[in-house]
Formats: sequence, C-alpha cells, structure tokens
Amino acid sequence: DAGITQSPRHKVTETGTPVTLRCHQTENHRYMYWYRQDPGHGLRLIHYSYGVKDTDKGEVSDGYSVSRSKTEDFLLTLESATSSQTSVYFCAIQKDSTYGYTFGSGTRLTVV
Amino acid sequence: GESVGLHLPTLSVQEGDNSIINCAYSNSASDYFIWYKQESGKGPQFIIDIRSNMDKRQGQRVTVLLNKTVKHLSLQIAATQPGDSAVYFCAEMVQGGKLIFGQGTELSVKP
Repeated sequence: DAGITQSPRHKVTETGTPVTLRCHQTENHRYMYWYRQDPGHGLRLIHYSYGVKDTDKGEVSDGYSVSRSKTEDFLLTLESATSSQTSVYFCAIQKDSTYGYTFGSGTRLTVV
Repeated sequence: GESVGLHLPTLSVQEGDNSIINCAYSNSASDYFIWYKQESGKGPQFIIDIRSNMDKRQGQRVTVLLNKTVKHLSLQIAATQPGDSAVYFCAEMVQGGKLIFGQGTELSVKP
C-alpha cells in the first residue's frame, strides 16, 4: 500500500506478553488510526491520533495503548496480550478530516 | 449511536452481470461517503467516494448513488469480473473526520 507500512505482518505471541505493532507512513499525513477486524464485527476503531503526542481512544480501546512521538510512526501496544485480542489489525492514514483513509496491509496477531 | 449497515451480507453474481451493493446510514448530518474493497488477506482499498452535494458519481465500471432522503447508498459494478470478488464496505464520515464502517458485503462472482 502506497506510503503506509505495517510491521510485523504476522505474529504469534503468548498470553500475558506485551506486543507492539508498528505503523509507518511516508505521506506526512496528520491523522492516523488503528482498527481491529474480526468476523461479525467489521472494522472497529481502537485508537487514533490527530498529530504528534495527540491521541485519543476509540470504541474498543481497553487493553491497548498507543504512542505517536513522530509524525510518521504510530505504535499500538498490547500491554498484556489476551486471547480476545487475536485479530487482524489495520492502520490507516488520513490527509485531513475531509479525506478518506488509506489502509495498510494489516498485521495478523494470534495470542495463544 | 451512529451506524452504517448493509442490507445483504453476501451477494453472488454471474460474470458479466451488473452488481448492486446497498448500504443504509443513520446520521443525516454525514456529508461524505466512501466505498472500500477488501480482498482476502489485504487491507481495504478505496474504490469511489461521494459528497452529499451529489447524488451520483461514476468511476471506471463503478457508480455510487446517494439518496439522502432515505439515507441510502449503493455501489453498482458494471460487467462484474472474477477480480471483483471481495468484501465491500461502505463508510460514512462523521464529525471530526472519522469514518464509521458498515459490516461489509461479500461479493462472489461465478465464472
């Protein structure tokens, strides 16, 4: 996906371990979002950022934290992974509030 | 709360036929709508958008129709091809620039 990269693409981790997912963009877009996608639930917003050190919670933020110390990077951390956090995680970037999103390719996370 | 929904979770069409995917939205103040296509194992990709000052917008083989009176959005795909098989999401932009996504419709194209 042009200008946005998620890493890792796949990860398997054990319950109780911390996990950090990275979203990197080269578009210099101000807005960034983290979603999770699960069967039957569609895309649900976890956290979002409107700029460096400006983040806020989405509808399913419990168990997740984020950080944005640079415009290009938005990190999603699962402090202590649980099986319910097994999901596909998508990052999205947005030029400003009048444009749509560009999504990354996703991270498939499995918590065992 | 605000929600964006789809009338049908799955749609199966014959190759070459036209496809119509529907979406209902609930926020009458929303002024920007987007259709995304998601292929298996990939992130959602932008297909076409429409702002509330329009009722129709055409792209290459795709047309989006917006009926603000009944808060309904549709995506029409002409001459559907096997490569069109995917999940299609509508999205509604709410205050602050966030998008609210529908559950998705899975389009299956039979050769």
